[in-house]
Amino acid sequence: AQKITQTQPGMFVQEKEAVTLDCTYDTSDQSYGLFWYKQPSSGEMIFLIYQGSYDEQNATEGRYSLNFQKARKSANLVISASQLGDSAMYFCAMREAYTGTASKLTFGTGTRLQVTL
Amino acid sequence: SQTIHQWPATLVQPVGSPLSLECTVEGTSNPNLYWYRQAAGRGLQLLFYSVGIGQISSEVPQNLSASRPQDRQFILSSKKLLLSDSGFYLCAWRRQTYEQYFGPGTRLTVT
Repeated sequence: AQKITQTQPGMFVQEKEAVTLDCTYDTSDQSYGLFWYKQPSSGEMIFLIYQGSYDEQNATEGRYSLNFQKARKSANLVISASQLGDSAMYFCAMREAYTGTASKLTFGTGTRLQVTL
Repeated sequence: SQTIHQWPATLVQPVGSPLSLECTVEGTSNPNLYWYRQAAGRGLQLLFYSVGIGQISSEVPQNLSASRPQDRQFILSSKKLLLSDSGFYLCAWRRQTYEQYFGPGTRLTVT
C-alpha cells in the first residue's frame, strides 16, 4: 500500500525567504507521480506542482519547485521568496500506477506554513 | 475553462437524517470524478470515484453512497447520518492529465 509521510506539522518562514516542506513516500510501484497541493483557510485544494517518477528533471512552477530524490523516496516542496499569501496548509500526495482506471491519490497529513513579516 | 461547483457550502444536520451533496463540473466532458472527506486537521481520504455515468467505485466501507446520474454530476448521499460523518467534503475532477482539480467543498456538521 502506498503511504505519504509529512513529518512537519507546522513551519514558520519570514517573508522573502525560501522554505522547504518535507515529504517522504513509500510505494512498490515503478511508475507513480507526486503532487503538492495548497489549502488556504477557505478550504479549497489548489494544485501546485507535479513530478512523475520517470521525469529526469525536478519539476518547477514559478516560485515552487519539487526536490525529487528517488533513491531516498522524498519529494520536498521548495517555495522561494515566500509571500504572506503563502500561509496555508500544504499537502503532499501520490498517485498509484496508472492502470487505465481512475488515478487515485493518497494524501499526507499536511504541513501548516505560516509566513511572517 | 473548467469550473467545479459544490453545494451546499455548509450544512448542519441531526444524527439519523438523510444527506445529499452535489457536485457539478463545467467546461469538460467525460471527466473522472472523486469524493474526498477531510476530518478536522487531517489529510484527505478518498471515498468514491467514478470514471463514467453510473460507474461508482467505493474506497471506504461506510454508510455513504455516491451516484453519477449525468456525465458532469456527482452526488454523495446517506440515508442516516452518523456523528462520525462530520467533516469537510471535497469533490474533484480529472480529465487527461494526472492532477485533480477540487471544488470549494461542503462543511458538514452532524449534531
